[in-house]
Amino acid sequence: QVQLQQSGAELVKPGSSVKISCKASGYTFTSYDMHWIKQQPGNGLEWIGWIYPGNGNTKYNQKFNGKATLTADKSSSTAYMQLSSLTSEDSAVYFCARSPNYYYWGQGTLVTVSS
Amino acid sequence: DIVMTQGALPNPVPSGESASITCRSSKSLVYKDGKTYLNWFLQRPGQSPQLLTYWTSTRASGVSERFSGSGSGTYFTLKISRVRAEDAGVYYCQQVREYPYTFGAGTKLELK
Repeated sequence: QVQLQQSGAELVKPGSSVKISCKASGYTFTSYDMHWIKQQPGNGLEWIGWIYPGNGNTKYNQKFNGKATLTADKSSSTAYMQLSSLTSEDSAVYFCARSPNYYYWGQGTLVTVSS
Repeated sequence: DIVMTQGALPNPVPSGESASITCRSSKSLVYKDGKTYLNWFLQRPGQSPQLLTYWTSTRASGVSERFSGSGSGTYFTLKISRVRAEDAGVYYCQQVREYPYTFGAGTKLELK
């Protein structure tokens, strides 16, 4: 069965970077886009972008240009999102979700930015 | 960006009653292929969102027939029949008609 297993919670300092992962199993990793979604505490959902692991193509929400970088490692069927120059506004739960239609979601990774 | 505006529910909703959630988009979600790209999700407390319907009205695999999506253009509705305790949570609509994909702010369903 399809599973998306995300990495654990991160506590990081302002100004630093963090890389979170989403390990896929149960399907052909290179055949489906992987999307990333942000959810701040008590808030709604915000679409960050997607990566197509088959060729590395990406599409970003312009709001996250320069903030998020999406990559994928075909050998380990793992998608990654790096967040840079972190501020308190980046404290959130980040989800990966597979296309089409977001039927499959990871469990979420909590990123807390604090000194 | 397309703005998604969701309506509120008259919480709490009595168990066994029906509930309808509205979602309005600032632009038509009909694509040139004729499909209307509107998704509905339920997020239960502490869980990841769960896809309920896509293309406005196509129910996702395993989703109860009590959930039905409808609408066209810019106005959409998710109807939940015979509300049960497990339906409690926050419901989100999402447009995937154009980039950036955007979500509504969410509609909370509480049960009596």
